[in-house]
This record gives sequence, structure tokens and C-alpha cells, in this order.
Amino acid sequence: GDSVTQMEGPVTLSEEAFLTINCTYTATGYPSLFWYVQYPGEGLQLLLKATKADDKGSNKGFEATYRKETTSFHLEKGSVQVSDSAVYFCALTSGTYKYIFGTGTRLKVLA
Amino acid sequence: EAGVVQSPRYKIIEKKQPVAFWCNPISGHNTLYWYLQNLGQGPELLIRYENEEAVDDSQLPKDRFSAERLKGVDSTLKIQPAELGDSAVYLCASSLDSANTDTQYFGPGTRLTVL
Repeated sequence: GDSVTQMEGPVTLSEEAFLTINCTYTATGYPSLFWYVQYPGEGLQLLLKATKADDKGSNKGFEATYRKETTSFHLEKGSVQVSDSAVYFCALTSGTYKYIFGTGTRLKVLA
Repeated sequence: EAGVVQSPRYKIIEKKQPVAFWCNPISGHNTLYWYLQNLGQGPELLIRYENEEAVDDSQLPKDRFSAERLKGVDSTLKIQPAELGDSAVYLCASSLDSANTDTQYFGPGTRLTVL
């Protein structure tokens, strides 16, 4: 079945460091791919999405490119801030409404 | 625009007691979802509604869980009786429709602790 694999956390970085959170997927058909962020005590918020191969989603300095050849959707940011500390979830939908989420990666940014 | 509203935010109950969670989706959103999120895991779908109809409840443990969405707006998820393993965060989400490109908007969740 469809699945999403994320790198395990926690990821601890200093402020202004470069961030990469790896996400790979397995899906039949042509999935849409999403990154959601969950701040402490809050619900999941959509960070960015891409709906077809080679699309790049971007928001708030974060980017991810839909790579069909490597079945990946890695999240990147050039310079992280303390306020980026949160849990990041990669997700896909494939042919249906149903989201399949990864297990989440906790990011901690130190001042 | 108001987001998805859930209540209560926290609930602590003894095992074998009943519990109910309430969700008000974003205005105009036809599709409503209930998810279960265990600690350190991603959300897992329990049930999906299209308006007032439950169109996918295949993951809902029907022996103890029930849900309703009367009038196709607010929704309630109930557990009766609760078990220790039900301790988790229960998330509600909504979307305009259910195309696979549609963004789902999540509420803050209800954290349930069963003692």
C-alpha cells in the first residue's frame, strides 16, 4: 500500500543553519505531496504542497520539489529560525482524498 | 476566517467511561474528517463525511466508537466505553471537497487521557 517514510528526529540546528528533512514515498498512480507543520499545542497546518512531478512547493522560506524519479519530496530551508521549531509531517494522497502521513520529524532550533 | 474548532481541548476520564468530542468545520467545507494521532506518530484517518453522509468509516472501531454529522455541519465523535489504549489526540479536519489535491485544514485536537 501507499506509504511515506521520513527521517527520524529530533533534528537540532543552530539558528541560520540550513535545513533538510528527507521524505520518500511509495504510491500507485500519481500522488499529491504535502508538508504539514505542527507547532506545540496546535493542529497541523499546511506548509506547502505539490501536485505533479517536478512541481516545487514553497512557503515561508521552505521549499520542496516533487521528484518522481527518486520518489522524494525533501523539505529544505536556507536559514532556520527559532520560531521554526515544530514537528514536520510529510503526507501524500493518491487517487483518493485519503492522506497518508509520515511519522513526523521534530525540529529544534537553538538561538 | 475562523478555522476548524474543536472542544474540549483536553479530557481526562476513567476507563469504561464514555467521552465525546465536538468539531465545527470551516464554513462551506463539505468534507469533514476525524483522525487519531498517537504520540510520536502521524494522524490516521478514522472516518470521513461528505456533507452528512459517512462515506468512509472503514478504520473506525465500531464496537466502541461512533460518529455523527447531523445537518452536514458540526460533528461529534464518541467513545463508549473508553479503554486505556484510546489515550491519544483526536483531530478534526475539513476540506472544500475530497479531490486528492484538496488541502485539509486541521483543528487543534482534543487530547484524551484514559486512566
